[in-house]
Amino acid sequence: NAGVTQTPKFQVLKTGQSMTLQCAQDMNHNSMYWYRQDPGMGLRLIYYSASEGTTDKGEVPNGYNVSRLNKREFSLRLESAAPSQTSVYFCASTTNPGLATDTQYFGPGTRLTVL
Amino acid sequence: AQSVSQHNHHVILSEAASLELGCNYSYGGTVNLFWYVQYPGQHLQLLLKYFSGDPLVKGIKGFEAEFIKSKFSFNLRKPSVQWSDTAEYFCAAQTGTASKLTFGTGTRLQVTL
Repeated sequence: NAGVTQTPKFQVLKTGQSMTLQCAQDMNHNSMYWYRQDPGMGLRLIYYSASEGTTDKGEVPNGYNVSRLNKREFSLRLESAAPSQTSVYFCASTTNPGLATDTQYFGPGTRLTVL
Repeated sequence: AQSVSQHNHHVILSEAASLELGCNYSYGGTVNLFWYVQYPGQHLQLLLKYFSGDPLVKGIKGFEAEFIKSKFSFNLRKPSVQWSDTAEYFCAAQTGTASKLTFGTGTRLQVTL
């Protein structure tokens, strides 16, 4: 049981390049989330998927797209990377949003640098 | 919009000292509250959470937090910190049915020997 996995762990891009960050969970969770973490700003929600087949914008969605490929996988795409997207990206998942047992589990993160 | 404030950005303590990290949230309705910890180079791990019931919540590794509704606060405490508690601590609030979390900016705790 690996929990939440993310690939790649590190990536360096040039401005304008595109890439997709991958996230997968093996806990049969319904909801998945993408956050970015920047120094002094905590974690901010980019996009989330409450259930398979649905996606919604979070606090900072500009410049990103997402795909909920199936129940296990939720990818984040940068179509044209910008230096402002240099950050650490975390994926998270949870099984029952809003219930008392609900807890988000986080992946190990992807450190992205855009030159 | 909901927000979470952590006023202590960097705290330095000696081992065995007591810890209290502040967290305030702004939301008038029902809110669930969390503390997460991020050890150097690692991902976020849940320390404790509050949904309802006893406002004093106990978590892992000797941490506890108290929910004070009248003060919109959820401060994290530990009676005696250890060097291994050196980490960044994030308070988060959750509202609504989509389980979205709003995080504070984090407090970096450094424990010296």
